[in-house]
Amino acid sequence: GAGVSQSPSNKVTEKGKDVELRCDPISGHTALYWYRQSLGQGLEFLIYFQGNSAPDKSGLPSDRFSAERTGGSVSTLTIQRTQQEDSAVYLCASSRIAGGSYEQYFGPGTRLTVT
Amino acid sequence: KNQVEQSPQSLIILEGKNCTLQCNYTVSPFSNLRWYKQDTGRGPVSLTIMTFSENTKSNGRYTATLDADTKQSSLHITASQLSDSASYICVVSENTGGFKTIFGAGTRLFVKA
Repeated sequence: GAGVSQSPSNKVTEKGKDVELRCDPISGHTALYWYRQSLGQGLEFLIYFQGNSAPDKSGLPSDRFSAERTGGSVSTLTIQRTQQEDSAVYLCASSRIAGGSYEQYFGPGTRLTVT
Repeated sequence: KNQVEQSPQSLIILEGKNCTLQCNYTVSPFSNLRWYKQDTGRGPVSLTIMTFSENTKSNGRYTATLDADTKQSSLHITASQLSDSASYICVVSENTGGFKTIFGAGTRLFVKA
């Protein structure tokens, strides 16, 4: 079946603008994760959703970042009033259930550039 | 603090040669350890997963080892190919229920002809 998809693949925005990044997880996967990967750096956990439970937002770097998951499927990561330090690749992953025993399948990422 | 450290940061080898990448972790309680391969511009893809009781796992030319006592893992690549050029990420999960996974910064491997 189809893998995790993300859109857009690339986004260039001006400092101060809001952006929305979209993630379509694998069908049937109840867990969805957002990560940020800065150039040459490891993956930084942002937020994850498990079914209808309240999301774990412990990784969000500031209140400018928020995420929603509608109907337990598609997720949107929103960054308000973007800053240059927000420039990074934003990766989404999904797994059958949340937990380290279940493999996370990653999307190709959205490369965000804030000018 | 739970951490995952990888070495070397980057590595250049000739096609056909073998190489070994290292991963040290301080994650506790330990659940499992995965190695991911991330091609440029793509998301990471899982290569192997090992639990506490496993000390080796192979996936084609990739062989991962785990020493849970010393909290070390290695990924050995045999007869490297140009397509092996990628970042290799060590990921360790805690055994606390729910989701708690720590990613290493990765080793960037360059295979040259």
